[in-house]
Amino acid sequence: DQQVKQNSPSLSVQEGRISILNCDYTNSMFDYFLWYKKYPAEGPTFLISISSIKDKNEDGRFTVFLNKSAKHLSLHIVPSQPGDSAVYFCAARLSMNYGGSQGNLIFGKGTKLSVKP
Amino acid sequence: DAGVIQSPRHEVTEMGQEVTLRCKPISGHDYLFWYRQTMMRGLELLIYFNNNVPIDDSGMPEDRFSAKMPNASFSTLKIQPSEPRDSAVYFCASSPHRSGNTIYFGEGSWLTVV
Repeated sequence: DQQVKQNSPSLSVQEGRISILNCDYTNSMFDYFLWYKKYPAEGPTFLISISSIKDKNEDGRFTVFLNKSAKHLSLHIVPSQPGDSAVYFCAARLSMNYGGSQGNLIFGKGTKLSVKP
Repeated sequence: DAGVIQSPRHEVTEMGQEVTLRCKPISGHDYLFWYRQTMMRGLELLIYFNNNVPIDDSGMPEDRFSAKMPNASFSTLKIQPSEPRDSAVYFCASSPHRSGNTIYFGEGSWLTVV
């Protein structure tokens, strides 16, 4: 069973508009969430993260929102740019109190974002 | 600074052959991870090391897979014998101690077993 789910395999957005990528998780023992971006033929690169004790983290055009009660997080990109076109992976880490460890991340399958000029 | 370096970038091999994937982590990083990406399963952790010691290999699919880290700057992932279902992109990643869970990926090794 997938513990981290990205139900939209793809998303298309016009340049300048907001991109919203969604992620759902099933394990309430996750305590840290990350978003990675991946261009073709490259490895994933870290984008932004959030601890479970927060509900929002912002870094420039990127904001991650966490709704623990709904076990849902989202990544907002505003304004979207053509260079943002990539596959975005949501990842979660199990709390160390429940057997988790640094860097042992559980990834979703990714959402391919296309930003059209 | 050099990132995580993987080789080969691409490999096509015949079923039954041995495959060895190599990784050089970022200098000074204590943790090294091997991930595999497939269409069906996405990115999944195979094994990780801390200070060259394997910590968790529960993600290794079966005995045909083995990984070693003889020193802080080198790791291998070996598949012997290889099978077509092993075709995937294999990523190596590393992270420093107390990085806040951020891990840094290499560019991946694309393996095709025919």
